Amino acid sequence: GAGVSQSPSNKVTEKGKDVELRCDPISGHTALYWYRQRLGQGLEFLIYFQGNSAPDKSGLPSDRFSAERTGESVSTLTIQRTQQEDSAVYLCASSPTISGNTIYFGEGSWLTVV
Amino acid sequence: GEDVEQSLFLSVREGDSSVINCTYTDSSSTYLYWYKQEPGAGLQLLTYIFSNMDMKQDQRLTVLLNKKDKHLSLRIADTQTGDSAIYFCAEILGGSYIPTFGRGTSLIVHP
Repeated sequence: GAGVSQSPSNKVTEKGKDVELRCDPISGHTALYWYRQRLGQGLEFLIYFQGNSAPDKSGLPSDRFSAERTGESVSTLTIQRTQQEDSAVYLCASSPTISGNTIYFGEGSWLTVV
Repeated sequence: GEDVEQSLFLSVREGDSSVINCTYTDSSSTYLYWYKQEPGAGLQLLTYIFSNMDMKQDQRLTVLLNKKDKHLSLRIADTQTGDSAIYFCAEILGGSYIPTFGRGTSLIVHP
């Protein structure tokens, strides 16, 4: 596709369950970002992947959060033992260059933990 | 304090110009961005400016960068109801590849 694709677009899960969120970046984009946006809030950085380098995980809020990326393609964000405070929109973005001058976002995955 | 600050709300009349302001704290910023987020949607990249530029214009959008005051603004000419959205300012610091976002300015356009 032409843009960053995320799935699922909406997910309702029970507290304590694990969830996986998927991001397909724009083809050829080497950099990939995950952000979290709570209702009415700004964007909170979670993790950054650049090519085959070690990811920058400095924004992950707890060890319940993890993410993987296969080469320069798909990324999966996993949240284990979900809590109600995990309810948010999870936004993925990709960029074609290491300097990140054009960063494009997907539509987000809306997660509701009940 | 926050690294990137924006006022939370701006209300304008249709046809007027809107000016959305942003201040940042780090003079090593390399790229500065403006994104638009409509309700229930992701972020749409509107424009960006490199730190060695003072101004960038793209159709109805004008970005002004005052490095001395660490101030970035987005001017929207002839504002339309379709411009109603949340506008996010973001910066990338020198030596980093990760944008830091402000909390967003909610632009309300009324007839």
